[in-house]
Amino acid sequence: AQSVTQPDIHITVSEGASLELRCNYSYGATPYLFWYVQSPGQGLQLLLKYFSGDTLVQGIKGFEAEFKRSQSSFNLRKPSVHWSDAAEYFCAANGGATNKLIFGTGTLLAVQP
Amino acid sequence: DAGITQSPRHKVTETGTPVTLRCHQTENHRYMYWYRQDPGHGLRLIHYSYGVKDTDKGEVSDGYSVSRSKTEDFLLTLESATSSQTSVYFCAISDGPTDTQYFGPGTRLTVL
Repeated sequence: AQSVTQPDIHITVSEGASLELRCNYSYGATPYLFWYVQSPGQGLQLLLKYFSGDTLVQGIKGFEAEFKRSQSSFNLRKPSVHWSDAAEYFCAANGGATNKLIFGTGTLLAVQP
Repeated sequence: DAGITQSPRHKVTETGTPVTLRCHQTENHRYMYWYRQDPGHGLRLIHYSYGVKDTDKGEVSDGYSVSRSKTEDFLLTLESATSSQTSVYFCAISDGPTDTQYFGPGTRLTVL
């Protein structure tokens, strides 16, 4: 079955430190891949997406993600975290026979001063 | 931001009562979706629509029905609400089935 896995439920980083959030997918073929961010009480905002081409994707707010086919991964990174980055982050994939967006369970990011 | 509104934004109701949530878009996108968000589950698809009067089931459709009589409106109905339907409900829109989905602000529903 198609699935998206975010292994880390909760991550805490210090402000100014680098960040990497993990995402793995299980699909028959490479799906379209997305990262969304959700601030408390808000809807989901698209950070970036990968459809094809360059495996390093740049997004908004200084985020980037790297697609690695060999590892079935699409990890999100940011070189220097700001306190305003505290939020929940969702990886999602779309593709295959169902053409439905499947979400991971999310990673909650806390930022320490 | 995509022009998506949801109403109501908050609702408290009692078990057994009918509830209808509304999603309205101003983007003229063909596809519209209803998700529910629960801790530990991420977002799960309830129903979606690929055109006026064209709808299909998602992963967690039991107990829910939908209707789309106009391009801009997509309604989600709980015929007889249960406590297990307490959740945050999100509407989303997209141009096509694999295109980026844009999300509304959500509706927090509590069923007592």
